[in-house]
Amino acid sequence: SQQGEEDPQALSIQEGENATMNCSYKTSINNLQWYRQNSGRGLVHLILIRSNEREKHSGRLRVTLDTSKKSSSLLITASRAADTASYFCATDAGSGAGSYQLTFGKGTKLSVIP
Amino acid sequence: EAGVTQFPSHSVIEKGQTVTLRCDPISGHDNLYWYRRVMGKEIKFLLHFVKESKQDESGMPNNRFLAERTGGTYSTLKVQPAELEDSGVYFCASSQDRQGINTEAFFGQGTRLTVV
Repeated sequence: SQQGEEDPQALSIQEGENATMNCSYKTSINNLQWYRQNSGRGLVHLILIRSNEREKHSGRLRVTLDTSKKSSSLLITASRAADTASYFCATDAGSGAGSYQLTFGKGTKLSVIP
Repeated sequence: EAGVTQFPSHSVIEKGQTVTLRCDPISGHDNLYWYRRVMGKEIKFLLHFVKESKQDESGMPNNRFLAERTGGTYSTLKVQPAELEDSGVYFCASSQDRQGINTEAFFGQGTRLTVV
């Protein structure tokens, strides 16, 4: 499996429900970031959580990080049709050589039905 | 403040031709990255500039790809000659922190390249 692997691959919910997406990774990280991509558009940065943080909130978003399990979750509360998009987690492992490349998973495709 | 901008948004070229993609990072961002996503695969890192210097080009697939960032501002990614497997979406991103740690990377809209 890949570093930064999201689960589930696809999720369909009714508007107003909560959506939870999970991400697992393999190596130690400096931080983990969540991105959203609307169909045919660019990647929008949602939230960054550092390796020494366990939970972070931003509006209707809640991200948790469990470094012992090498996993993270993204919760979107009170979902809206506009939340329909693909969501990616990306890990920054920090090679130590000055490069800070992100490693992405394949993403979770979220559909919010009005 | 303008975000990361990429040109063109779409490009369709024939196999064997040359294509140059351009990325303008957020003003003041020293770090510039190129990523790409080929159909059905993950978004993959290509390379990382710090100002005009290539910090890490370990993700560049082969020598048909050439990235430059003269003057440390905008960057170009040239594919010459293009092959069918180069089709995909090429993303550019930039970040501010000189160290790059724990700093958000802001992505552009991407350039969708189709090689026929």
